[in-house]
Amino acid sequence: AQSVTQPDIHITVSEGASLELRCNYSYGATPYLFWYVQSPGQGLQLLLKYFSGDTLVQGIKGFEAEFKRSQSSFNLRKPSVHWSDAAEYFCAVGGTGANNLFFGTGTRLTVIP
Amino acid sequence: AAGVIQSPRHLIKEKRETATLKCYPIPRHDTVYWYQQGPGQDPQFLISFYEKMQSDKGSIPDRFSAQQFSDYHSELNMSSLELGDSALYFCASSWTSGGGRDEQFFGPGTRLTVL
Repeated sequence: AQSVTQPDIHITVSEGASLELRCNYSYGATPYLFWYVQSPGQGLQLLLKYFSGDTLVQGIKGFEAEFKRSQSSFNLRKPSVHWSDAAEYFCAVGGTGANNLFFGTGTRLTVIP
Repeated sequence: AAGVIQSPRHLIKEKRETATLKCYPIPRHDTVYWYQQGPGQDPQFLISFYEKMQSDKGSIPDRFSAQQFSDYHSELNMSSLELGDSALYFCASSWTSGGGRDEQFFGPGTRLTVL
């Protein structure tokens, strides 16, 4: 069965500090992996995606994520967090064709000055 | 660039009323997905359509129905509304026929409040 686990419900970091949000997935086929960000009351914005190839993918706003098949993980990282990064972050997994996405429960990021 | 359009953006209904949410996918996209996000929850897949045919079904209540029209827009019809239906409803679209690498583009959502 498909599932996504985001172990950290809430993370607080200081502005300028580095960030890593964890994501583990379970998927029966070759997974397509995504990270989305959602500000309060807003829609979902795609940060980055992994389909194949280089396991380190770069996204928007300075984010990157690394796909590790052996660990079934797709952790999101940013070297220096900005106050505007405070939001909810969702990891999602999907497959080929018209397949729906399975989302993790999200990690809420708080950034303190 | 054109994005996914959802209307209305906000909707307030009473219990037992009906509601219709509309989604206009990005031009040339052939697949539409509906997700429901309850307060403090992750988005849950409801239903999807590919080339106007239902392609997958998730946790959509029997009180809900949806369809995709010839112009590829989709409507989610919700009847006998319950308080628990209050949520943010997202529509997403993708270009499945483009070769399998179908990234889903999300609309801004419709916030439904049931009183």
